[in-house]
Amino acid sequence: GAGVSQTPSNKVTEKGKYVELRCDPISGHTALYWYRQSLGQGPEFLIYFQGTGAADDSGLPNDRFFAVRPEGSVSTLKIQRTERGDSAVYLCASSSGLAGALGELFFGEGSRLTVL
Amino acid sequence: AQSVAQPEDQVNVAEGNPLTVKCTYSVSGNPYLFWYVQYPNRGLQFLLKYITGDNLVKGSYGFEAEFNKSQTSFHLKKPSALVSDSALYFCAVRDDGSGNTPLVFGKGTRLSVIA
Repeated sequence: GAGVSQTPSNKVTEKGKYVELRCDPISGHTALYWYRQSLGQGPEFLIYFQGTGAADDSGLPNDRFFAVRPEGSVSTLKIQRTERGDSAVYLCASSSGLAGALGELFFGEGSRLTVL
Repeated sequence: AQSVAQPEDQVNVAEGNPLTVKCTYSVSGNPYLFWYVQYPNRGLQFLLKYITGDNLVKGSYGFEAEFNKSQTSFHLKKPSALVSDSALYFCAVRDDGSGNTPLVFGKGTRLSVIA
């Protein structure tokens, strides 16, 4: 597709369960970002990949959160032992080259996670 | 550390009137400033950015923003609002001296344009 694709669009899970959220960036985009948006808040940075490696994971809230991008394209955000406070919309964005360095990001529609 | 403040949770304006959505920022170096818009059930969309040069930046859908270094502000403006402009607007900043750091977003301002 032409844009950033995120699946699932909605995920409801129970406290303590494991969750995976997937992001398929725009083809050719080397940079990929994960953000989290809670109700009434702006997007909060989680992690940034340049190619396959995590260039900055300083936004991950704790060790229950982990993300991978093994082939430099699709990325998966993994949340272990989910807690009710993890409920939010998880946004993925990608960018490429100079546009990336100057911050112009292309966002997906997000994955809404609800932890009961 | 960089930060952004959007002092208004909600802005209401009548259709055809000018609109302003306020943003102030804090960075240690020179700022790269952005506005994004989020329509219901849609992803964030880029509107415009300031990197360097002219303080008045023009963007998509007739929006513009003015960079004011002395007031550390980057307010979003439009001369004549449309009902279709109703959405959630986010200001974002990154510091040009910090390598490829991610964007830091404000909390957002909900714009409601009334017919």
